[in-house]
Amino acid sequence: GENVEQHPSTLSVQERDSAVIKCTYSDSASNYFPWYKQELGKRPQLIIDIRSNVGEKKDQRIAVTLNKTAKHFSLHITETQPEDSAVYFCASNAGGTSYGKLTFGQGTILTVHP
Amino acid sequence: DADVTQTPRNRITKTGKRIMLECSQTKGHDRMYWYRQDPGLGLRLIYYSFDVKDINKGEISDGYSVSRQAQAKFSLSLESAIPNQTALYFCATSDLPLGAGEQFFGPGTRLTVL
Repeated sequence: GENVEQHPSTLSVQERDSAVIKCTYSDSASNYFPWYKQELGKRPQLIIDIRSNVGEKKDQRIAVTLNKTAKHFSLHITETQPEDSAVYFCASNAGGTSYGKLTFGQGTILTVHP
Repeated sequence: DADVTQTPRNRITKTGKRIMLECSQTKGHDRMYWYRQDPGLGLRLIYYSFDVKDINKGEISDGYSVSRQAQAKFSLSLESAIPNQTALYFCATSDLPLGAGEQFFGPGTRLTVL
């Protein structure tokens, strides 16, 4: 089945610095790559996603890049703020008859220091 | 607002007991999922259902069973709970008419097995 590896497991930055989280996936049929943010004690929520016909997507301070040849995608957060502190999960979808099923990475704990 | 709800929110039980976790949604989505979250392991899929008559095992289904009683309800059962099933459990839904898309998570159930 699909395997998604996420790095780093923890990331500590100063306010206004940039943060980058990277994921690799194994299924060449995957074509949907979402990122979820989970604040402490809350449910995961989608913050941005990208499909395989696009190489980069931006939404204000957040961007995601995709390299299908290398099978990796990354989340970039610029001008980080303390409220960005959370656990971030990447995911990729399955192909074939399980199309739409997501496999998640292990998560990255991001801490933004004021 | 349309939402995903889970009951109970917290449960403490003893080894060997049968436990049922319930999920309901008012989003009108066909697809429902059960995940467990453990520190450092991300969100791992237990079971998923693409419609009322469709039930599929995820990557960690051993020791669990599910029931899809209606489009809006998807229950997870632990037939004989064991301590290593202590975890945070999330239900999620998605509406994927044409392909993979956002999953909407419930608030989670924290289960402790003593």
